[in-house]
Amino acid sequence: GAVVSQHPSWVICKSGTSVKIECRSLDFQATTMFWYRQFPKQSLMLMATSNEGSKATYEQGVEKDKFLINHASLTLSTLTVTSAHPEDSSFYICIGSAGTASGYTFGSGTRLTVV
Amino acid sequence: AQKITQTQPGMFVQEKEAVTLDCTYDTSDPSYGLFWYKQPSSGEMIFLIYQGSYDQQNATEGRYSLNFQKARKSANLVISASQLGDSAMYFCAMREGYGNNRLAFGKGNQVVVIP
Repeated sequence: GAVVSQHPSWVICKSGTSVKIECRSLDFQATTMFWYRQFPKQSLMLMATSNEGSKATYEQGVEKDKFLINHASLTLSTLTVTSAHPEDSSFYICIGSAGTASGYTFGSGTRLTVV
Repeated sequence: AQKITQTQPGMFVQEKEAVTLDCTYDTSDPSYGLFWYKQPSSGEMIFLIYQGSYDQQNATEGRYSLNFQKARKSANLVISASQLGDSAMYFCAMREGYGNNRLAFGKGNQVVVIP
């Protein structure tokens, strides 16, 4: 079945550095990639929606210059957290969609800790 | 306004018993989809079951069934014959409109299965 491979699964970085998270869709083409963030014991909150070949659409309150999203191909989308700070520590999940009604494929998540 | 409401506190369930997790939703779109996901402590989101708004019958997937009451806008998840491995957070989610639309998640229900 459809798989989204998300890497890294966990990362620890120093405050002020940048971190890149990759999501690759295997065996299907993710025309849309959704990026979510989940703080401990909370729900998944949508950060941005990216469609292949176009600029991402960011949710209100999400800084587009801080969370850079690239969706250059139908099989690869990346999220770069620039100048990370401890408050960016969270669980980041990508969800790939090929446009079908129930076809949402989740990445396994990236646990980011900024120290 | 909250799209998905999950209000139950954490639940303890005896092994082999059934448990019902409540979910109500809010949408004015006639076409929508409802999902349930399981999130164990590892963080990975596991798809359980899907119900489309035009589906005539309640969805079932093994030990999981969705009690879909359209007029009441509720989509409760029933897990039959609980197992220790069912201990996890459970999230209800909704897609409004047709494919490639975002998923809105509820706050989740914590379930602990006790032997």
